[in-house]
Amino acid sequence: SYELTQPLSVSVALGQTARITCGGNNIGSKNVHWYQQKPGRAPVLVIYRDSNRPSGIPERFSGSNSGNTATLTISRAQAGDEADYYCQVWDSNTLYIFGTGTKVTVL
Amino acid sequence: QVQLQESGPGLVKPSQTLSLTCTVSGGSISSGSYYWSWIRQPAGKGLEWIGRIYNSGSTNYNPSLNSRITISLDTSKNQFSLKLSSVTAADTAVYYCARAESGWFDAWGQGTLVTVSS
Repeated sequence: SYELTQPLSVSVALGQTARITCGGNNIGSKNVHWYQQKPGRAPVLVIYRDSNRPSGIPERFSGSNSGNTATLTISRAQAGDEADYYCQVWDSNTLYIFGTGTKVTVL
Repeated sequence: QVQLQESGPGLVKPSQTLSLTCTVSGGSISSGSYYWSWIRQPAGKGLEWIGRIYNSGSTNYNPSLNSRITISLDTSKNQFSLKLSSVTAADTAVYYCARAESGWFDAWGQGTLVTVSS
């Protein structure tokens, strides 16, 4: 079955740029979506189809996808960006597959 | 703006059937090209998709849980439901209902914790 691998944690200084990777076999051929999940809350969609932001999501959130790695970039990181982030793709077998999740800490 | 709300027992005994309902407000569950899904998350772990139902009633399930899952639709109540049979402690998790249209989930319920314990 298809697997998505994310780093366990990413740390970023306040105001700097955080990059969260999502690795998968030829993931560049798939549409990748990203969710932010704060403690005790439901996930929130922050990027869909690799690089599109839903309404209400700050421009500081951006995404890219190529080869075997998709990346979520958080620019000018704020304390409120501390959360777990999950990538997700659609797969013909399992349909919806989530990545392992990355905890982002803003220092 | 569509809203989803899970409901159901918070405690289920081992070997019994877990039953949850998701009530949708702010839009009809039978209109549009939406898939209605259940997703779960054990404490401290990642997200796992369980299954989905379309407004026609057609379903798809995660192959790893397929034999134990039933998802159904009640359009008169604007609800869809999950039944997971033969539960064990490994099924203890927060269960979310969510809406998807084109491969991603754009609306989620707040989640409900279900504990499997005798």
